[in-house]
Amino acid sequence: GAGVSQSPSNKVTEKGKDVELRCDPISGHTALYWYRQRLGQGLEFLIYFQGNSAPDKSGLPSDRFSAERTGESVSTLTIQRTQQEDSAVYLCASSVSGDPSNQPQHFGDGTRLSIL
Amino acid sequence: SQKIEQNSEALNIQEGKTATLTCNYTNYSPAYLQWYRQDPGRGPVFLLLIRENEKEKRKERLKVTFDTTLKQSLFHITASQPADSATYLCAPSRGSARQLTFGSGTQLTVLP
Repeated sequence: GAGVSQSPSNKVTEKGKDVELRCDPISGHTALYWYRQRLGQGLEFLIYFQGNSAPDKSGLPSDRFSAERTGESVSTLTIQRTQQEDSAVYLCASSVSGDPSNQPQHFGDGTRLSIL
Repeated sequence: SQKIEQNSEALNIQEGKTATLTCNYTNYSPAYLQWYRQDPGRGPVFLLLIRENEKEKRKERLKVTFDTTLKQSLFHITASQPADSATYLCAPSRGSARQLTFGSGTQLTVLP
């Protein structure tokens, strides 16, 4: 596709349920990022994948959060036993290989997650 | 710890004027600084990247400056239009950083 695609665009679930969010990066982009954005706030880094290197998980807020990426394609972010504070927009971005500090990141429009 | 501050208040300006947004950072020395635009309900969109050895960079009606002494970047939109209304995010970063840290953004409204 032409851009980063995320699904679902909206997700409403009950507290305690598990959710899985999906990200399809731009073809050929080896770097993939997940961010969380709470209402009215900035972006909070969660995890970074670069090619076949071990992912940087330093931003994951708890062990309820995990993410996987298959090769250089699709990534899924899983939140187990969801809590109300997990309500936010989850954004995925991708960039070409290289130093992420000097590569533009291309974002999807996010998944808006609401925990009841 | 690293800190990024953008205009704390929302910025309202009249159409046709120049909008100036501020990004200040403390406790680190970035080699690069990126600016993004975010519209409601959408993901951020990359606008410009400036390197520490570049004092100024331009793209159409946009101009970014990077003052490593003041630890500040200014983002200017000349001849502003209502379509420029959005939240603008800055992201200073060191070389070889494995992640970008974004400021909380400045909400710009251009009034017709």
